[in-house]
Amino acid sequence: TQLLEQSPQFLSIQEGENLTVYCNSSSVFSSLQWYRQEPGEGPVLLVTVVTGGEVKKLKRLTFQFGDARKDSSLHITAAQPGDTGLYLCAGAGLAAAGTASKLTFGTGTRLQVTL
Amino acid sequence: KAGVTQTPRYLIKTRGQQVTLSCSPISGHRSVSWYQQTPGQGLQFLFEYFSETQRNKGNFPGRFSGRQFSNSRSEMNVSTLELGDSALYLCASSYGGGGTEAFFGQGTRLTVV
Repeated sequence: TQLLEQSPQFLSIQEGENLTVYCNSSSVFSSLQWYRQEPGEGPVLLVTVVTGGEVKKLKRLTFQFGDARKDSSLHITAAQPGDTGLYLCAGAGLAAAGTASKLTFGTGTRLQVTL
Repeated sequence: KAGVTQTPRYLIKTRGQQVTLSCSPISGHRSVSWYQQTPGQGLQFLFEYFSETQRNKGNFPGRFSGRQFSNSRSEMNVSTLELGDSALYLCASSYGGGGTEAFFGQGTRLTVV
């Protein structure tokens, strides 16, 4: 069973601060996705990283995939109240021949950014 | 293009009843996956349907079942509801299925009383 642990579980910061969220596993993933979910809504895809060591930037958000494709991080620079939400990482497993892969979601990091 | 549509948005059911939830994927997407989200367990994979066939299944009891129609729309059924089935049920649509990028609906909030 593939497990994805996210840390921290909760984060409450003030506007303008920087933060990093971690997503760790002992399993190798073919790709890893990051989602943000707001209350009462479904998760929204932010980014997909595929190659070990890959770094992607989305405005103030920087995503990195570990060299061994077992972990990932999300760094937010100068957080804003609009960044508030539940951040989820999701790994696509390495499927055996003849089987289909599936997404395994992390435990989630709840971020609150206050003025 | 239109996103993923789930109906209904909210449901209240009594223990022992059954419920059917519906999901219309993004046009052209052949894969529909279902997830259960609770505060304690997070997002848990229920099953995936691709071109009307169940391609993958999570660790849920047989009370949870689903199907997919030829137009890719999917339904999920839960029989003999238990209090612990109260959760947000999310449907995700993707073109290739498996671990490819998923687009989620707003979910159906099920409360079992």
